[in-house]
Amino acid sequence: NAGVTQTPKFRILKIGQSMTLQCTQDMNHNYMYWYRQDPGMGLKLIYYSVGAGITDKGEVPNGYNVSRSTTEDFPLRLELAAPSQTSVYFCASSWEGGGYTFGSGTRLTVV
Amino acid sequence: QQQVKQSPQSLIVQKGGIPIINCAYENTAFDYFPWYQQFPGKGPALLIAIRPDVSEKKEGRFTISFNKSAKQFSLHIMDSQPGDSATYFCVLGQNFVFGPGTRLSVLP
Repeated sequence: NAGVTQTPKFRILKIGQSMTLQCTQDMNHNYMYWYRQDPGMGLKLIYYSVGAGITDKGEVPNGYNVSRSTTEDFPLRLELAAPSQTSVYFCASSWEGGGYTFGSGTRLTVV
Repeated sequence: QQQVKQSPQSLIVQKGGIPIINCAYENTAFDYFPWYQQFPGKGPALLIAIRPDVSEKKEGRFTISFNKSAKQFSLHIMDSQPGDSATYFCVLGQNFVFGPGTRLSVLP
């Protein structure tokens, strides 16, 4: 049972480049989330999904896009990377009203 | 989107002490109050959670107390150990919003 798997673990992007952070879960959770965590700070919700085909914005959605075509996968797309997007990105999943299971994170640096 | 107020921002205790971390919220509609523990370089992990139909829940050395009238819930760590040194976050269950975190250091 892998839980929540995020790839890649580390990435360096140049300003203006784009990339997709992958997230997949094997627990059949209907809810999935993307958070970012800046150094020494808390977690900010970027986007979330309550089921396949349904996504919604969180606190800090600007500069990001998501899709949820299957229950298992919830990729996060960064378009036109900016230094302000340097952060650690965590994907998580849960049942409705249940505790989150987090992935191990993707550390992204934009230079 | 409702924010959650968490205090203190950081906390240092001696081994064996009982650190207490507090969270306050505004909306009474929530019915799930979890705490997460995060070690450096790792993702947060669910530590303990409470539903508002009880005032206290204990799991090992960790206890959540819930005060519905005051709209507060607290995490207590009994007999704290250096291995408990981590950042602790409260979350408003259905709001998906994390508190700002409390950095706990337990000195040997």
